[in-house]
Amino acid sequence: ETGVTQTPRHLVMGMTNKKSLKCEQHLGHNAMYWYKQSAKKPLELMFVYSLEERVENNSVPSRFSPECPNSSHLFLHLHTLQPEDSALYLCASSQEGPNSGSGELFFGEGSRLTVL
Amino acid sequence: KNEVEQSPQNLTAQEGEFITINCSYSVGISALHWLQQHPGGGIVSLFMLSSGKKKHGRLIATINIQEKHSSLHITASHPRDSAVYICAVRDNYGQNFVFGPGTRLSVLP
Repeated sequence: ETGVTQTPRHLVMGMTNKKSLKCEQHLGHNAMYWYKQSAKKPLELMFVYSLEERVENNSVPSRFSPECPNSSHLFLHLHTLQPEDSALYLCASSQEGPNSGSGELFFGEGSRLTVL
Repeated sequence: KNEVEQSPQNLTAQEGEFITINCSYSVGISALHWLQQHPGGGIVSLFMLSSGKKKHGRLIATINIQEKHSSLHITASHPRDSAVYICAVRDNYGQNFVFGPGTRLSVLP
């Protein structure tokens, strides 16, 4: 079983739809992240959750709504998106803290979103 | 603000060639990561460095903290090394990473 699993891998939605992206990590990590990767741009941080509490919202539009019900699961709820929101959305996890190891990021395979 | 730059942006090599990808950053960091992203989209961590040099198989990563510079070397390159290589740094103050734009490598048989 892979460390970080994302579903769906591909999603096509209209601007009026509501959908969700799901991420699950099996690594026992205490921090989870949503990143957006648009064509020819560096990875952009969207949200960080540490110990299930949101610690950073990087000025993301409210049409993206994260949810972290427990330390293993992270969702990104999508509603009334725009075509420019089409991108690869990547989930990652890490173990943070003074005695917890490297803080290395482990990524999922990504969810490729197309907004029509 | 920490900026991360990579060079070259694109690189095409023949199988067997020695490859170097460079990364430079602008502020003090606690660690630097080299990541590999294949066409399917998933990202794999190759190295995490805070000083010196690390080697894993045909891959070597070095970092010079004083010069704020890191290099990723691939020896005896192979077509399966074709991917985007991303440099990412974590600064001394925050939890978050800053990513470079990536270097797209194509190794031709």
